[in-house]
Amino acid sequence: AQKVTQAQTEISVVEKEDVTLDCVYETRDTTYYLFWYKQPPSGELVFLIRRNSFDEQNEISGRYSWNFQKSTSSFNFTITASQVVDSAVYFCALSDDPSGNTGKLIFGQGTTLQVKP
Amino acid sequence: EAQVTQNPRYLITVTGKKLTVTCSQNMNHEYMSWYRQDPGLGLRQIYYSMNVEVTDKGDVPEGYKVSRKEKRNFPLILESPSPNQTSLYFCASSRIQGSGYTFGSGTRLTVV
Repeated sequence: AQKVTQAQTEISVVEKEDVTLDCVYETRDTTYYLFWYKQPPSGELVFLIRRNSFDEQNEISGRYSWNFQKSTSSFNFTITASQVVDSAVYFCALSDDPSGNTGKLIFGQGTTLQVKP
Repeated sequence: EAQVTQNPRYLITVTGKKLTVTCSQNMNHEYMSWYRQDPGLGLRQIYYSMNVEVTDKGDVPEGYKVSRKEKRNFPLILESPSPNQTSLYFCASSRIQGSGYTFGSGTRLTVV
């Protein structure tokens, strides 16, 4: 069964600390896609990154970086030098619909990140 | 600007009073979905559509209806809302499976 687990419910850090948000996924398919979304207090969902199962290269975008490891079924997200504006709920999601019909994203439960000044 | 537009943003209604939440996208996307977000449960798919006149149930379809008469619009209909449908609702669209979804701003629905 497909599943996404974000074991960290809440994380609190002080500004400028680095923080890693964990994401572990389960799927039987060899082709799948992984995503991270940010939900700030205003409520909208902001797309951060998409990674397909054949691309295990880590990615860096400014202060954000992602570590994809198929061997451990993990897709972790690190924020370097965190800022107060990073405070949000972060969702990891999996899309593995082999038929390509449902377009369904399977979300983890989310990790609430609080960055204190 | 490429976007998914949901209306209304906030809605308080009474049990049993039919309501429609509208969703429109301007990106000519084939895929559209509705999700509901509840504390501790993440987001769950309600209904999805692969194209015009093609819709199907997601994980939690009970109490909801949808239609896809035009490619850009995908309204969510609650024929007889109940308090357990109080939630935050998101519409999303995507060009192809796995390409990443664009989400609307959300509709916070309260049924009393």
